[in-house]
Amino acid sequence: QKEVEQDPGPLSVPEGAIVSLNCTYSNSAFQYFMWYRQYSRKGPELLMYTYSSGNKEDGRFTAQVDKSSKYISLFIRDSQPSDSATYLCAMRGPGGTSYGKLTFGQGTILTVHP
Amino acid sequence: DAGVTQSPTHLIKTRGQQVTLRCSPKSGHDTVSWYQQALGQGPQFIFQYYEEEERQRGNFPDRFSGHQFPNYSSELNVNALLLGDSALYLCASSLGKGVREQYFGPGTRLTVT
Repeated sequence: QKEVEQDPGPLSVPEGAIVSLNCTYSNSAFQYFMWYRQYSRKGPELLMYTYSSGNKEDGRFTAQVDKSSKYISLFIRDSQPSDSATYLCAMRGPGGTSYGKLTFGQGTILTVHP
Repeated sequence: DAGVTQSPTHLIKTRGQQVTLRCSPKSGHDTVSWYQQALGQGPQFIFQYYEEEERQRGNFPDRFSGHQFPNYSSELNVNALLLGDSALYLCASSLGKGVREQYFGPGTRLTVT
């Protein structure tokens, strides 16, 4: 079983829709949670960063973390064709032995059509 | 403000050869991490360098080695290339060893034939 599970999709939605992207994880030590967006043949771009449980909002993006369920989500409101990309969840444990290692999900391919 | 840069962009090598990939971190960052991303997969952590030392290593063989220079730039070396080493190699930079937010470069696409 992978430490981080993410449905690869693909997910196709009409412009203006609310998009929900999700990841589940098995390692209860994970404390830092991130969402990255990756356009084709490009490097991942950091979208959201959250620590522990709760919600964080940034413009059209909202990240949610539920540590009790080991479940994180990214919501995109008023989706645009420019949001079409692969969305990667990533997470990390506390310091010490997990300084730099981000553990990623497989990524979900999202297409927003006009 | 320059972001993370990587070179070369693309590389084609033959099985058994050796390759060196280069990374310059984002201005002000001192920590570099390397990841391998196979097609259709999420990035896999190779190792991290801080203060010119390897601080943490993922599940990769010793054929994968690295170096960090005093100016914080870094190299990834892969020896005895295998077909399975074909992937996008990503460099991420951050500030301090207590890494939280990592910023990625565009990657180097390595093809092994």
